[in-house]
Amino acid sequence: GAGVSQSPSNKVTEKGKDVELRCDPISGHTALYWYRQSLGQGLEFLIYFQGNSAPDKSGLPSDRFSAERTGGSVSTLTIQRTQQEDSAVYLCASSLGASYTFGSGTRLTVV
Amino acid sequence: GQQVMQIPQYQHVQEGEDFTTYCNSSTTLSNIQWYKQRPGGHPVFLIQLVKSGEVKKQKRLTFQFGEAKKNSSLHITATQTTDVGTYFCAGPNSGGYNKLIFGAGTRLAVHP
Repeated sequence: GAGVSQSPSNKVTEKGKDVELRCDPISGHTALYWYRQSLGQGLEFLIYFQGNSAPDKSGLPSDRFSAERTGGSVSTLTIQRTQQEDSAVYLCASSLGASYTFGSGTRLTVV
Repeated sequence: GQQVMQIPQYQHVQEGEDFTTYCNSSTTLSNIQWYKQRPGGHPVFLIQLVKSGEVKKQKRLTFQFGEAKKNSSLHITATQTTDVGTYFCAGPNSGGYNKLIFGAGTRLAVHP
């Protein structure tokens, strides 16, 4: 597609439930990144996929967080047993070179 | 670990005044990038600087990369209300990957 597409745009979930966030990167972009942005804060790196290489998971805050990228394209970020501190905007970005193109994000609210 | 720091965190100016945000890295960077995030929006790439001492201009925006490639600045001349947003600098992770480390951002408010 023309841009990075994320779904859903908003998600409200109950504490303890699992959620899946989806990212569809720009076609042909080999790198895909997930970041988290809490209200009024900066961008916290979560995970990075580059081609067929093993992902860099060094930013995942706990083992409740996982992500996969199927076929080198679409990525899903899964948060198990959500907690209130997981509430944030989850941003996906893709790149072919150095600069990123971000999606519009998924605003996750855990109640 | 590698850090990218930005100051100030927040600045409000009167329309027409100038604005500058500063970015400092704990490590030498191969390049530095700047992004703008409008309120309620997502970060959008503005520019990349690669060379030591490089200066680039985009209309009223002037970007500089320090000689030591550890700091950078963004200067906006004669701010307009359309400049409102948060400006982030970002540098690649020193581990050799393209993972960007973002500064905390400078939030700019412009009063008409």
